[in-house]
Amino acid sequence: EDQVTQSPEALRLQEGESSSLNCSYTVSGLRGLFWYRQDPGKGPEFLFTLYSAGEEKEKERLKATLTKKESFLHITAPKPEDSATYLCAAAGRYSSASKIIFGSGTRLSIRP
Amino acid sequence: KAGVTQTPRYLIKTRGQQVTLSCSPISGHRSVSWYQQTPGQGLQFLFEYFSETQRNKGNFPGRFSGRQFSNSRSEMNVSTLELGDSALYLCASSSSGTGGHEQYFGPGTRLTVT
Repeated sequence: EDQVTQSPEALRLQEGESSSLNCSYTVSGLRGLFWYRQDPGKGPEFLFTLYSAGEEKEKERLKATLTKKESFLHITAPKPEDSATYLCAAAGRYSSASKIIFGSGTRLSIRP
Repeated sequence: KAGVTQTPRYLIKTRGQQVTLSCSPISGHRSVSWYQQTPGQGLQFLFEYFSETQRNKGNFPGRFSGRQFSNSRSEMNVSTLELGDSALYLCASSSSGTGGHEQYFGPGTRLTVT
């Protein structure tokens, strides 16, 4: 069964304290692995798409990486404005009706 | 480029009623997907429309339905509302669909069923 699992559920960091969020996926024929950021009461905001193992993408303090089984979102020297829920999602080539599966998210809180 | 818009932003309905939500995708995007988001279940896929045809459907009862118009605008309808339908309903548009291209989400419609 296709599955996406994110860990940890919640993460509290001090401003400037770097860390990583994990997204493990079991999807047949991965077509894309996506990262989104969601602020309370708003829709998810697209961050990155990764297509193949070994691929990396960066945006400001964020860097996403992909292996054959998991993806990491590395946050370097975070600031309070990076506080949000980070969602990953996987799209499979041979999935059933629900072609894209979202993880439950990691709630990130950055203390000043 | 204008983003995805959803109307209304907030709705309060009573059990047994029906509701229609509207979504306007990013200009040029032909795929519109709908999701239900709740604290307990997270983001769950409802269905996807592409060029006025339903292309994918998630595991939701037949009370949930949708359609897409020739201008790519989409509506979803929920009939015979239940308390458990209270959620944030999100619409996302994409240039080619959920199968490998990023989606852009609207702000959502917060539905409360009493």
